[in-house]
Amino acid sequence: KNEVEQSPQNLTAQEGEFITINCSYSVGISALHWLQQHPGGGIVSLFMLSSGKKKHGRLIATINIQEKHSSLHITASHPRDSAVYICAVSRAGNQFYFGTGTSLTVIP
Amino acid sequence: GAGVSQSPRYKVAKRGQDVALRCDPISGHVSLFWYQQALGQGPEFLTYFQNEAQLDKSGLPSDRFFAERPEGSVSTLKIQRTQQEDSAVYLCASSRDSQETQYFGPGTRLLVL
Repeated sequence: KNEVEQSPQNLTAQEGEFITINCSYSVGISALHWLQQHPGGGIVSLFMLSSGKKKHGRLIATINIQEKHSSLHITASHPRDSAVYICAVSRAGNQFYFGTGTSLTVIP
Repeated sequence: GAGVSQSPRYKVAKRGQDVALRCDPISGHVSLFWYQQALGQGPEFLTYFQNEAQLDKSGLPSDRFFAERPEGSVSTLKIQRTQQEDSAVYLCASSRDSQETQYFGPGTRLLVL
């Protein structure tokens, strides 16, 4: 059933490190979303992209439609980046499929 | 403006009890989604509304789950005769259109004893 797969499941990094989280999907999509979920449940949408690359501050998201793969990069990581990062894909219509998330811990 | 709000934030129910979870979407958002998130898992789609119309309820796990959005704004997810496996965080999200960025509420954490 896993239309969306993320790796790694858990990631621990030292403050300042460059971080990459990967997402692969198996269905045709209209867009791919990267979400951030902090402890306590609040989910924030970071990026929605259907091609190429987007950058917001220290976050960069890329997508390769042919390879059905996306990456989320965090440059100069900081402890406040510690959260669960979720990849989700949307299809024509309204179906959204979510990955199980990558739990990131950044150690000072 | 205000984001998506949900109430209650926490709910403890005895097995067999009925519960109602409320979602207030961002004003003017046409699309509203309900998701169920089990511990350690990603959200799973339950149902989708466009205005007051429930266009997709394929994710509702059983006929004990019922959702409505009668006036195209506030939505209620009702779970009848709760079971322990219903324990999860129930997330609501809204967007201007179904293909646009979704804004999530804080979720309702349901615990069925």
